[in-house]
Amino acid sequence: GESVGLHLPTLSVQEGDNSIINCAYSNSASDYFIWYKQESGKGPQFIIDIRSNMDKRQGQRVTVLLNKTVKHLSLQIAATQPGDSAVYFCADTTSGTYKYIFGTGTRLKVLA
Amino acid sequence: GAVVSQHPSWVICKSGTSVKIECRSLDFQATTMFWYRQFPKQSLMLMATSNEGSKATYEQGVEKDKFLINHASLTLSTLTVTSAHPEDSSFYICSASETGEKLFFGSGTQLSVL
Repeated sequence: GESVGLHLPTLSVQEGDNSIINCAYSNSASDYFIWYKQESGKGPQFIIDIRSNMDKRQGQRVTVLLNKTVKHLSLQIAATQPGDSAVYFCADTTSGTYKYIFGTGTRLKVLA
Repeated sequence: GAVVSQHPSWVICKSGTSVKIECRSLDFQATTMFWYRQFPKQSLMLMATSNEGSKATYEQGVEKDKFLINHASLTLSTLTVTSAHPEDSSFYICSASETGEKLFFGSGTQLSVL
């Protein structure tokens, strides 16, 4: 991800709809990617990860897609629920370096 | 998943005093921990990398004498904000990784300096 200190973009979705949150990363050497969820006043919570040898990985209601050609990562949340309202960050790293780069984050608002 | 505990969750202090924040990996050993600062509605800003048994590595622009980091054991890193001023008020978060990949975060500490 690329963190430039800007205010967070917001995605508003209707409850029950699917959400897609996007992230761009810049380091072509990155080979491990994580999505985090951060609720207000709390630390980021691990959602799902993916390695560069995959282009898709599914979890419970979440899917991460990786496009290494354009250095793009997305998080899809199926049947979005009010509890999904939070800020979502992507992070990328090159394995073994311990250096993570965080995206700017996207605020997801779920409308009832 | 691995658990990272951070304490305290929030602290209010007077200007000029020092505040210590603890970060513990509860069920794994972490030779490396990270400290971040987060301003409202912004992403995480890496302040420093804490290495067990050696000096921390600070990011550019972060004052090492202001933000003292001690990583005395494989499960504990502390961040001390020395001579705190109102501009140090922020949300501070630590993280650790057992494998060097999956990063787990503490719950964060909201610091308010009066």
